[in-house]
Amino acid sequence: DAGVTQSPTHLIKTRGQHVTLRCSPISGHKSVSWYQQVLGQGPQFIFQYYEKEERGRGNFPDRFSARQFPNYSSELNVNALLLGDSALYLCASSFKGEETQYFGPGTRLLVL
Amino acid sequence: AQSVTQPDIHITVSEGASLELRCNYSYGATPYLFWYVQSPGQGLQLLLKYFSGDTLVQGIKGFEAEFKRSQSSFNLRKPSVHWSDAAEYFCAVGANFGNEKLTFGTGTRLTIIP
Repeated sequence: DAGVTQSPTHLIKTRGQHVTLRCSPISGHKSVSWYQQVLGQGPQFIFQYYEKEERGRGNFPDRFSARQFPNYSSELNVNALLLGDSALYLCASSFKGEETQYFGPGTRLLVL
Repeated sequence: AQSVTQPDIHITVSEGASLELRCNYSYGATPYLFWYVQSPGQGLQLLLKYFSGDTLVQGIKGFEAEFKRSQSSFNLRKPSVHWSDAAEYFCAVGANFGNEKLTFGTGTRLTIIP
């Protein structure tokens, strides 16, 4: 079975631009979570979605938003990019969100 | 609020030697505990997890971890490391109800020397 997939793998943007990152969960998983990993640190929780509803939100500004589609795939949107948004963005899926989360390879975003 | 401390930023071990990576957590109830490994430029791979029951859990690649409630610890061990074990290791804690998020430590970078 395929694992969690994310696209694109790498992305370069400039300050002020908008970015959309995409995630497809493991087949059968209904929950998707997003994490931001800044270089040299552990991942920080951004959002969790389950059955298309937001289930949790981390301490991130309103420039960050997400949604989940009927097929359980998800998008993370970041508006008005800042240099500090440069990071590896990880998507994780689980069956209901209450068990083990399985991570994708991530999207590496560089903001110039 | 839950938190995780990994006191060792970087550990160097000789190939074939034993390994122990430390993890201390803070959480008001019995937590869900995880160890993940991350190779350079890669995502996170689950090594093992503790939800309940036996406090010594076995994982993939020969790793094990022991949950000690009295010490709020969940240390990762391997009896004999291989060069391929060189990576970043993250300990994480999740709530044991409605696991809305995982809280990660800052990671321990493992270097293996011949």
